[in-house]
Amino acid sequence: NAGVMQNPRHLVRRRGQEARLRCSPMKGHSHVYWYRQLPEEGLKFMVYLQKENIIDESGMPKERFSAEFPKEGPSILRIQQVVRGDSAAYFCASSPPAAPLSYGYTFGSGTRLTVV
Amino acid sequence: AQKVTQAQTEISVVEKEDVTLDCVYETRDTTYYLFWYKQPPSGELVFLIRRNSFDEQNEISGRYSWNFQKSTSSFNFTITASQVVDSAVYFCALSEPSFYNFNKFYFGSGTKLNVKP
Repeated sequence: NAGVMQNPRHLVRRRGQEARLRCSPMKGHSHVYWYRQLPEEGLKFMVYLQKENIIDESGMPKERFSAEFPKEGPSILRIQQVVRGDSAAYFCASSPPAAPLSYGYTFGSGTRLTVV
Repeated sequence: AQKVTQAQTEISVVEKEDVTLDCVYETRDTTYYLFWYKQPPSGELVFLIRRNSFDEQNEISGRYSWNFQKSTSSFNFTITASQVVDSAVYFCALSEPSFYNFNKFYFGSGTKLNVKP
């Protein structure tokens, strides 16, 4: 039983480039959550997706950030025209459909994005 | 307003000392969950414990223990006889139902624990 898989583990981008972070949920899970951890801070909620639907994107920056979770394949967090302030660790978690509110998420190992 | 406050930014202890990491939370919900996660230098998040708001019993797991007090909105974490391998950043988190009926996590800023030999 593989856990939540994120790749790459480390990603270096120059300012202005695009960053694509991938998250493969646990088997049987169709709900994905992205969180961002800025340096020296705790994780902050970004977006909640179900297959082919964005449910809650209240934590996403208004510009340059987008997320998708297609019918097939992993969830993708896309950051266009990256800036130094985007340097952070990005974590995702997943859950099955109709997970109870007591469900404890397992987070992936994260992708550490460094913008140079 | 911060929903989860971890006032201790960094703590240093010598091996075998006991150490308590503080966590204070804020919520209007009656049903919520509290968590502790460990983040070692390698960066992943390791789940340690989950408590629901209706269960105030303290819990002990080996050298780890947790003290949940609703009256003071606190969920403190104690490591007894600390070891060098306990060195990590520890996060307290609150999970409460959101508008879209999923558990949204709110993390504290973390406490970095340094255990010296």
